[in-house]
Amino acid sequence: GAVVSQHPSRVICKSGTSVKIECRSLDFQATTMFWYRQFPKQSLMLMATSNEGSKATYEQGVEKDKFLINHASLTLSTLTVTSAHPEDSSFYICSAFPPGRGNEQFFGPGTRLTVL
Amino acid sequence: RKEVEQDPGPFNVPEGATVAFNCTYSNSASQSFFWYRQDCRKEPKLLMSVYSSGNEDGRFTAQLNRASQYISLLIRDSKLSDSATYLCVVNRGRDYKLSFGAGTTVTVRA
Repeated sequence: GAVVSQHPSRVICKSGTSVKIECRSLDFQATTMFWYRQFPKQSLMLMATSNEGSKATYEQGVEKDKFLINHASLTLSTLTVTSAHPEDSSFYICSAFPPGRGNEQFFGPGTRLTVL
Repeated sequence: RKEVEQDPGPFNVPEGATVAFNCTYSNSASQSFFWYRQDCRKEPKLLMSVYSSGNEDGRFTAQLNRASQYISLLIRDSKLSDSATYLCVVNRGRDYKLSFGAGTTVTVRA
């Protein structure tokens, strides 16, 4: 089956630092990937759509200068949380949908970010 | 109004019981519907897609009511391994963006 990986799985950082999260499609090419954020006991919220070869599109209320997205290749998208603050602590998950599988999305295992 | 609303539960049921719950969605343009399962601190995993005519996958039965904009999930003969949070997910229209409910927690006890 389609596999999406994320790295790191967990990161703890100091306030003010930047954190990069990688999302990879391991056995398929993904021109589009999605980045979500999930706070405890809340639903996944779509943050942005990552597009290979073009700029990411952000959902309303998501600061594009704070959450930098780069879709460097057909198998890699990165999310950089710049100048992280404690309120950015969350579970960040990416997803992608392999060709030929309709609109079924496959999720990465997530990255748990804790900002001290 | 939230795009997808679910009863958060929890539903605490004994092994072998039947449990059912549903969700409502607000976007009448939604065309694809899913139930995902999320275990604690893990990523969501697709349980089943939901089709207009209703569909069944083993012990799981999903129903869609487009007129009332609600989706249901029924679990028969519950197993301990069914304990999880079940996420109701709909797409936003013609694109691939998904809207998630906050989830319904099910706990199956021995």
